[in-house]
Amino acid sequence: NAGVTQTPKFRVLKTGQSMTLLCAQDMNHEYMYWYRQDPGMGLRLIHYSVGEGTTAKGEVPDGYNVSRLKKQNFLLGLESAAPSQTSVYFCASQGAIYGYTFGSGTRLTVV
Amino acid sequence: KQEVTQIPAALSVPEGENLVLNCSFTDSAIYNLQWFRQDPGKGLTSLLLIQSSQREQTSGRLNASLDKSSGRSTLYIAASQPGDSATYLCAVKGGSNSGYALNFGKGTSLLVTP
Repeated sequence: NAGVTQTPKFRVLKTGQSMTLLCAQDMNHEYMYWYRQDPGMGLRLIHYSVGEGTTAKGEVPDGYNVSRLKKQNFLLGLESAAPSQTSVYFCASQGAIYGYTFGSGTRLTVV
Repeated sequence: KQEVTQIPAALSVPEGENLVLNCSFTDSAIYNLQWFRQDPGKGLTSLLLIQSSQREQTSGRLNASLDKSSGRSTLYIAASQPGDSATYLCAVKGGSNSGYALNFGKGTSLLVTP
């Protein structure tokens, strides 16, 4: 049972480039989340999804888009990367009984 | 907006000591509270989950308590070991207006010295 898998694990982008981060879960969870973690700021919610085909904005959504076309996948897109988006990105899914499961993170650097 | 605060921000103790990490939250209408451990450069590992109707949870040398009315939780670590060195995060489950997302504190960085 793989849990939550994030790809890629590391990425370096130039300012203005675009990319997509993939989160995949195999636990049949309805709820999925994208967070970013910055030094001194803790984890902040970017976007979330309450089921297939749904997305909603979290605390810091600007500059990001998301899609949940399949229940098991939650994609986070950066259309035009900025240095302020340098961060570690975590995906999570929520199950009714066992709480939240987090992926291992994607370390993104925008130069 | 739910605010979660963790005190202290950093803590250094000698091996063998018992220690307490503190977490406070501003809105007592919570669903549950979860404690995580994060090692440097790694993801989050769930340690304990306390439902809003519970007062405490225990796992091995870890004990977490919850006092909803006062908006506080504590994580007690008994007989600390160097392997306990990590950042400990407290998180409170939000309501439906945020998809029941977790609201995190900024963490307590723990160093246990041999």
